[in-house]
Amino acid sequence: EAGVTQFPSHSVIEKGQTVTLRCDPISGHDNLYWYRRVMGKEIKFLLHFVKESKQDESGMPNNRFLAERTGGTYSTLKVQPAELEDSGVYFCASSQERRSSGGLGTEAFFGQGTRLTVV
Amino acid sequence: QKEVEQDPGPLSVPEGAIVSLNCTYSNSAFQYFMWYRQYSRKGPELLMYTYSSGNKEDGRFTAQVDKSSKYISLFIRDSQPSDSATYLCAMTGGGSYIPTFGRGTSLIVHP
Repeated sequence: EAGVTQFPSHSVIEKGQTVTLRCDPISGHDNLYWYRRVMGKEIKFLLHFVKESKQDESGMPNNRFLAERTGGTYSTLKVQPAELEDSGVYFCASSQERRSSGGLGTEAFFGQGTRLTVV
Repeated sequence: QKEVEQDPGPLSVPEGAIVSLNCTYSNSAFQYFMWYRQYSRKGPELLMYTYSSGNKEDGRFTAQVDKSSKYISLFIRDSQPSDSATYLCAMTGGGSYIPTFGRGTSLIVHP
């Protein structure tokens, strides 16, 4: 079974440009999460989809970030326009269930990440 | 003060050593505690999780939680060069299912 896949694996763009990251979750996983890790910092939550609906987008840094999940399958995260501080590794994860008690980590599978460099 | 503190290392040990990796946290509402392993250029993969206090063992790995001290540990016995990776602790609780991660500790096991 294929795991979570992310495209591209690495992207270098200039400040002010637009970049779109893609995540293909494990088939059948309704829950999809985006995270970001800025160099030297912790992995931080960005948002959570349940199927095509945004369940929680409290971690999105600002309105330059737009996430979509068409038809509840793959998801895209667009950054427009990109700023220098957006550089980092963007991870996607998917899970079959979300336990309200906080058992996310017991079921979530991460992709390899997209390394975004804004110059 | 960060919610979860984790020494980034690197921690370098010889093959066969017992490794101790630790995190401290400040939020007493955390109840689920997880350890992830991340190899270079890969995503984190869940290694172990524990609920509340206590120990959990899985092969060479033992996860320990001391809620009274807000301190969690991951022990690796008979460490192997293939254990070289970054180990991240993460925790959830207080009605939130979104994990709070530590910065990760880089472990190097040399032959």
